[in-house]
Order: sequence, then structure tokens, then C-alpha cells
Amino acid sequence: NAGVMQNPRHLVRRRGQEARLRCSPMKGHSHVYWYRQLPEEGLKFMVYLQKENIIDESGMPKERFSAEFPKEGPSILRIQQVVRGDSAAYFCASSLAARKGEQFFGPGTRLTVL
Amino acid sequence: AQSVTQLDSQVPVFEEAPVELRCNYSSSVSVYLFWYVQYPNQGLQLLLKYLSGSTLVESINGFEAEFNKSQTSFHLRKPSVHISDTAEYFCAVSDRRADSSASKIIFGSGTRLSIRP
Repeated sequence: NAGVMQNPRHLVRRRGQEARLRCSPMKGHSHVYWYRQLPEEGLKFMVYLQKENIIDESGMPKERFSAEFPKEGPSILRIQQVVRGDSAAYFCASSLAARKGEQFFGPGTRLTVL
Repeated sequence: AQSVTQLDSQVPVFEEAPVELRCNYSSSVSVYLFWYVQYPNQGLQLLLKYLSGSTLVESINGFEAEFNKSQTSFHLRKPSVHISDTAEYFCAVSDRRADSSASKIIFGSGTRLSIRP
């Protein structure tokens, strides 16, 4: 059973461009979470999605950030008009609803904004 | 709301020495507790977890953690560390929901464990 997959692993963007980060959850998992890890900090929750629904977006910045988890295909975290402060590692995790509290993490996408 | 405090940002120890990484949490509801490990330039791996039952939980590579409800702590210990244990360790909590569905995880700021030969 393949683990959580994220691509790209590294992404470089210039200020003002758009960044799209993709996450394929583990097979059978219908819950997806996105976290951001700024340099020298721990992970901060951004958003929690189930198929086609955003359940909790309390950690998402109010502007420029959006997330989706369509019925078919991976979850996408989209950052519009990136700024240098968006440079971070973005981790996706997935869970099976019946597995109490356990989330499985992907390898992350390291976004660098020039 | 929950929060997690890891008081030590860095812990240097000699190889084969014991180590304890401290973690305290606060929450108004019952929680699940986790320790995750992040090796350099890699993602997070679950090291061990407390869901219910015995308050002492162990990992396959010799780490253990004890849930202490009265002290709201979940300290991580290993009696003898190896060079390969060099990594960053994150303590984390998530709330217990009555319907057993997963919820967001709140992470501590991490403790960098460095092992000296």
C-alpha cells in the first residue's frame, strides 16, 4: 500500500507567481490535512478536507490560499501571488476515519519563493 | 483549544547515554497524544502514540513515552541513544471526538536531538 504522495518535492517560484501543490492520500483514505512548516518551527495546521468538502480551514491565511479535494484526483493546495514569506515546507497527511486520530504524512513539498 | 509545549529546543547527548525529551500539553477535552520524528530533509514519521489503555507506550526502536494525566505530560525517553537517533522530535495532540473521526493535530515546536560520539 503506497504511502501519502506529494509532488513536486521541490518547487521554486518568483514573487507574484502561483504555486500548486498536490497530494495523493493513502489508498482508502478520505480525509486529507495540509500543514505548513516554516524554517526552524513546528508544523502548523492549515486545512482539513474530505472528498469535495472543506471541513476545517481555520489555519488557512485569509487571502491567496485555497485548497480542494475533488471527487477524483489528488488534493490541491493553491497559493496565488506568492511572496517570500510563503517559503516553507508544506506537508499533507491523510487518515482513515475509523483510525482514531492517526494521520500518515507525505514527504512534503519545499516551496522556495525568489 | 489545545496547545503543546516542548521546553527544550535542542538536546545534545553522548552516544549510549539516556535521554528524555519533555512535552506538556493543555486541553479542555480528552486528547490523543503522539510523538513524530523528522529526519533531516524528510517528512514526519509516527514514532509512537497514546490512544487509550496503558499509559506507557513503546516504539519499535527503543523509545517510550508515558502519559501522565495529572501532570498533563507525555515525555519521551530512551535508555541508550544511537547516532541514528539524530533527528527532530515533535510532540503532538489531537482531540478525541465521540465519532472517532480524525481531527487536526496540534504540534509542539520540536526538539532537536543531536548525538555526539
